[in-house]
Amino acid sequence: EAAVTQSPRNKVTVTGGNVTLSCRQTNSHNYMYWYRQDTGHGLRLIHYSYGAGNLQIGDVPDGYKATRTTQEDFFLLLELASPSQTSLYFCASSQLGGLYEQYFGPGTRLTVL
Amino acid sequence: KTQVEQSPQSLVVRQGENCVLQCNYSVTPDNHLRWFKQDTGKGLVSLTVLVDQKDKTSNGRYSATLDKDAKHSTLHITATLLDDTATYICVVGDRGSALGRLHFGAGTQLIVIP
Repeated sequence: EAAVTQSPRNKVTVTGGNVTLSCRQTNSHNYMYWYRQDTGHGLRLIHYSYGAGNLQIGDVPDGYKATRTTQEDFFLLLELASPSQTSLYFCASSQLGGLYEQYFGPGTRLTVL
Repeated sequence: KTQVEQSPQSLVVRQGENCVLQCNYSVTPDNHLRWFKQDTGKGLVSLTVLVDQKDKTSNGRYSATLDKDAKHSTLHITATLLDDTATYICVVGDRGSALGRLHFGAGTQLIVIP
């Protein structure tokens, strides 16, 4: 069974704060993704990566940085958090992109006050 | 503009009843369509993927159809159980390759009551 873990599961910060969300996959997958999920909207892609050291921009990248340090680890950085970034964040991994199934982590709920 | 529309937004059924969830989309090209189940507070889990121009799949009590001419998909759940309570999300992939993007619907919230 594919495994994707995220930490923390919940985070509260203040406007202007610095936040790092972590994701680890033990599937030996090449691709990793960061999404945000907001009520009434479908998941939206923030950043993704197809290998260690690689980073690709998603559909809603503004205000976010990401870094893929190893094949297993993918981080999402909010350097100046804003209330508009209050959301549920999901990490996912897949062997390849496109048709290949993405396996999702349990999510991190971030609140920016 | 939303390219994947799901209906109904929410649905309440009694345990044992059948239900049908709808997905209409305008994504072009439309390489494949996948249905996910999302339990409250958890990540998405794939139920099935449809690929062909007119496709049908079955996975236990879940069955799905896809008509690419109509850009329409349905997810049928037979003999619902309390554990079927979840949000069901329709996702359209615009390419089969890594160059493609996934387009997510907002989901249908299904509540199964005793």
